[in-house]
Amino acid sequence: AQSVTQLGSHVSVSEGALVLLRCNYSSSVPPYLFWYVQYPNQGLQLLLKYTTGATLVKGINGFEAEFKKSETSFHLTKPSAHMSDAAEYFCAVSDRGGSQGNLIFGKGTKLSVKP
Amino acid sequence: NAGVTQTPKFRVLKTGQSMTLLCAQDMNHEYMYWYRQDPGMGLRLIHYSVGEGTTAKGEVPDGYNVSRLKKQNFLLGLESAAPSQTSVYFCASRGTGTRGGEQFFGPGTRLTVL
Repeated sequence: AQSVTQLGSHVSVSEGALVLLRCNYSSSVPPYLFWYVQYPNQGLQLLLKYTTGATLVKGINGFEAEFKKSETSFHLTKPSAHMSDAAEYFCAVSDRGGSQGNLIFGKGTKLSVKP
Repeated sequence: NAGVTQTPKFRVLKTGQSMTLLCAQDMNHEYMYWYRQDPGMGLRLIHYSVGEGTTAKGEVPDGYNVSRLKKQNFLLGLESAAPSQTSVYFCASRGTGTRGGEQFFGPGTRLTVL
């Protein structure tokens, strides 16, 4: 069975600082990996995804993530935090490692950005 | 294009009451999903559907039923609501042609069971 672990339920950074949100997964097959963002009182919005090919994936709003197979990680980064980045972020893995699978979500990391 | 919509946005029920949550999508997607979101638990899959007329159980199906009579609609029913079903419910849909299977989410329904 596949699973996702997000390290840190809350992360706080200063505006302009590096954002690093950690995600580790377990999967017996090559995974598809996703990061979603949820702003307060809204649904989830896709930030970026990894399917195959280039391991560094760029998403919306300046975020990017790197797939590291040897570390089973898919950490999300942004070089400079903005106040508007304050939200909850969810990492997810496809449960069959392909386009037909359901998504397994991590428990989420709430990002706070201090002025 | 409205995407994924959910009705209602908020609801308060008493224990034992029943209700139906409606999800509609206008993207002609085959797959549809119902999740619940609880603090510190992430999103957990309740039921899903891989096409019109089909449904399947997810991780936490007990106390819920679903129907997919039309491709664009996916209904979630609570026959006898319990306080443990107080949660935020999200519907999502996915097309078969999208590599990687990303899901598109509705805005959510906040349900309180007293």
